[in-house]
Amino acid sequence: DAGVIQSPRHEVTEMGQEVTLRCKPISGHNSLFWYRQTMMRGLELLIYFNNNVPIDDSGMPEDRFSAKMPNASFSTLKIQPSEPRDSAVYFCASSPPGQPYEQYFGPGTRLTVT
Amino acid sequence: KNQVEQSPQSLIILEGKNCTLQCNYTVSPFSNLRWYKQDTGRGPVSLTIMTFSENTKSNGRYTATLDADTKQSSLHITASQLSDSASYICVVSVISGTYKYIFGTGTRLKVLA
Repeated sequence: DAGVIQSPRHEVTEMGQEVTLRCKPISGHNSLFWYRQTMMRGLELLIYFNNNVPIDDSGMPEDRFSAKMPNASFSTLKIQPSEPRDSAVYFCASSPPGQPYEQYFGPGTRLTVT
Repeated sequence: KNQVEQSPQSLIILEGKNCTLQCNYTVSPFSNLRWYKQDTGRGPVSLTIMTFSENTKSNGRYTATLDADTKQSSLHITASQLSDSASYICVVSVISGTYKYIFGTGTRLKVLA
């Protein structure tokens, strides 16, 4: 199994630009989570999906952030417009049916906004 | 306020030694507690998960304990190896209609040869 796949691994962009992060969950998993990690705040849950439906987006910092899951094998996290304070590592994780706490994390996308 | 505090923030030990990491939480209502290991540049990997009724759980050289009365957990690493150098994150889940996770900021462990 390839595990959770994220792309790109690194992204450097200028303030004001749109950024799209991508995630492919483990095949057969039905829950998908987006996290952000910074030195100051640690790991934070942004949003999670169950069976492709967004369940809780209360962790999304503001309207500049949006996430979609058009099918069971793909999700995106978009930031528009990006700001320097969005610089962080963004992780995607997935979990199998009936085991929402057994999350498997991807390698992360390191985002730098200048 | 739901909080998870980990100590120490960082720790340096010699290879072969044991160590214990602490996690105190003020989360309610409690669902479960997980310990993750995160290598530099990688995503977290689950080590253990414990529910309210479990006091201890082992995963190889890693042993986690949970005292639900005092709201404390510890992660004990036995006979440390260089590969144990990583950050260890404690995560407490809240019982609610949706998934709610409270993350600690982690303990950074460095094992020296």
